[in-house]
Parts: sequence; C-alpha cells; structure tokens
Amino acid sequence: QKEVEQNSGPLSVPEGAIASLNCTYSDRGSQSFFWYRQYSGKSPELIMSIYSNGDKEDGRFTAQLNKASQYVSLLIRDSQPSDSATYLCAVVVAGAGSYQLTFGKGTKLSVIP
Amino acid sequence: NAGVMQNPRHLVRRRGQEARLRCSPMKGHSHVYWYRQLPEEGLKFMVYLQKENIIDESGMPKERFSAEFPKEGPSILRIQQVVRGDSAAYFCASSPAGSTNEKLFFGSGTQLSVL
Repeated sequence: QKEVEQNSGPLSVPEGAIASLNCTYSDRGSQSFFWYRQYSGKSPELIMSIYSNGDKEDGRFTAQLNKASQYVSLLIRDSQPSDSATYLCAVVVAGAGSYQLTFGKGTKLSVIP
Repeated sequence: NAGVMQNPRHLVRRRGQEARLRCSPMKGHSHVYWYRQLPEEGLKFMVYLQKENIIDESGMPKERFSAEFPKEGPSILRIQQVVRGDSAAYFCASSPAGSTNEKLFFGSGTQLSVL
C-alpha cells in the first residue's frame, strides 16, 4: 500500500505567523508532489507543485522536498485568516494500471485573527 | 474558459436506486479522473479514463460502479443499487495528458446522499 501521511491537525497559528505543514510518503520512486488547498465544502485547489529536491517559492508559499527522507512540506508565511482550510499533500505513485495522484487525509489549518 | 464542470452538485437517492454523476473536463483536456471523498477522509482514486478508454479502474469497487468517457459528451460515473455507504463527495478532475508531472484540476464535486 503506497501511502501519503499527514498530521490531521487542527493546526492553529496566529495571524502573521508562519504555518508549517508536513507530509511523508512511502513510494521511494515518486517524482511529482503537489499541495492542494480545500475549503470546507469546496473542491481541492492546486497551490504548489514541486519535482526537485530543495525549496520552491511562490508568493507567501514555499514548498520543500527531500526525496532521501521522503518528506515534503509547505510553509505559509504571514498567515491570513483566509488561509484557514484543509491542506492536502498529493504524490504521484505508480498504481495498478497508471500513475495515480495519491492524497493524504489533509491537515486542517486555522489562522487566528 | 470554463473549468471542470460537474453536475449535479447535489444528488439524493434512496437505497437501491441508481446514481449518475457527470463530468465535462476543461477545454483541451482529454484525461479524466474520478475521486471519492468521505467525511474527514482524503480523496481516494477511483478511475482514470481517456476518450472511449478506461485506463485504470483499480480504485473502483468491482460491483455496482462503472465509468465511461464517450467520444462525445461528458464522462459518467454510474452507481447502481446505491447503499448508504456510497454517500460521499465525488470529484472529477482533468488534465491535458496523463504524464506524471501533470497537474489535475478539479470540478466542484457532486455530493451524493443516500437515504
């Protein structure tokens, strides 16, 4: 069973702080990693993708990948109440018949004004 | 430029009835994926289709569930003889191609409630 693990939270941070979200995965052959944001009752929205070891920055978001440790993280700087959502880590793994995007259960983030 | 369109948004069925969920991919996208999300759970892969072909249905229950993506028209996820355990949000996603680097874009989902 190829899995993606996340702490379910909730993770509470004050407004303006850095939120750090973590994810580990079991398939060592995975090459593509994504972070999705999902507001309650809404569809997942892609916010970051990362394919190489190291950091990738996009505005207030930074994705970090360490393939040796099978670990990917998302940092949100200057957190805003509007960032309150569930963040889903997704990893492309080789499935039975194709490459599949496999999701963790998500970490619920709450940004306190 | 319309995104992934799913309908209906909400579907209520009684046990034993059939549910049909529709998905039109983004313009220019030829690959469709169906995922199911139970309350407080992550998204679970069900099936991956291209036009007129099922590429991978390894995540779909062997009985009562079927999917198609015809040459013309939307992709359909069909659940026969629904049971209460089928109640969930069903999301469709599309991509231009099926490579490992492709990003998926999701529709708004269909919330299925089985009474």
